[in-house]
Amino acid sequence: DTAVSQTPKYLVTQMGNDKSIKCEQNLGHDTMYWYKQDSKKFLKIMFSYNNKELIINETVPNRFSPKSPDKAHLNLHINSLELGDSAVYFCASSQGPQTYEQYFGPGTRLTVT
Amino acid sequence: AQSVSQHNHHVILSEAASLELGCNYSYGGTVNLFWYVQYPGQHLQLLLKYFSGDPLVKGIKGFEAEFIKSKFSFNLRKPSVQWSDTAEYFCAVTRNTGGFKTIFGAGTRLFVKA
Repeated sequence: DTAVSQTPKYLVTQMGNDKSIKCEQNLGHDTMYWYKQDSKKFLKIMFSYNNKELIINETVPNRFSPKSPDKAHLNLHINSLELGDSAVYFCASSQGPQTYEQYFGPGTRLTVT
Repeated sequence: AQSVSQHNHHVILSEAASLELGCNYSYGGTVNLFWYVQYPGQHLQLLLKYFSGDPLVKGIKGFEAEFIKSKFSFNLRKPSVQWSDTAEYFCAVTRNTGGFKTIFGAGTRLFVKA
């Protein structure tokens, strides 16, 4: 009965590769997010979708492309991976885009070698 | 620039000590405030939140926080910490107008000595 799940949990890959991270929520929420947590634990929003529509798109390289096939899923595809992409990526969801608390997934630790 | 500041990056306490973690934000207008906790190896989870009403809010596991509008602060407190409170604590702020982007502070790593 996991609320927000992410796959994979760990991802080790080489520079230049393309990889995807998947996220699913079973809470019936309308809004989903991707965050990047760097090595200093600083958590920064990357994207947010509400009802499958992009509503927040921070200054993220266009190598990162989110895709929301339906309200319950938000995937993150990364092209041409770079060393600096190494981080923990968290997916989250909330009832709506406004004042609601967010429920986080377990994170995906991406290591680019 | 809009920001959320957590003044203490690392805090070490002994069990039963009192805890106060500072959080200040730089937005004007109405905000919604959150404290999240990340236990070692786990995902972030909500400790408590403030939307409106009584500025002193109580959360899970004996934590509370006080919203002081004039000081743009939302400090987290616990009268007596336990070893199991060892975790990373994040303050987060969402503006209540336009964008609704949540900004997280840099986090405070708390280590409680048994």
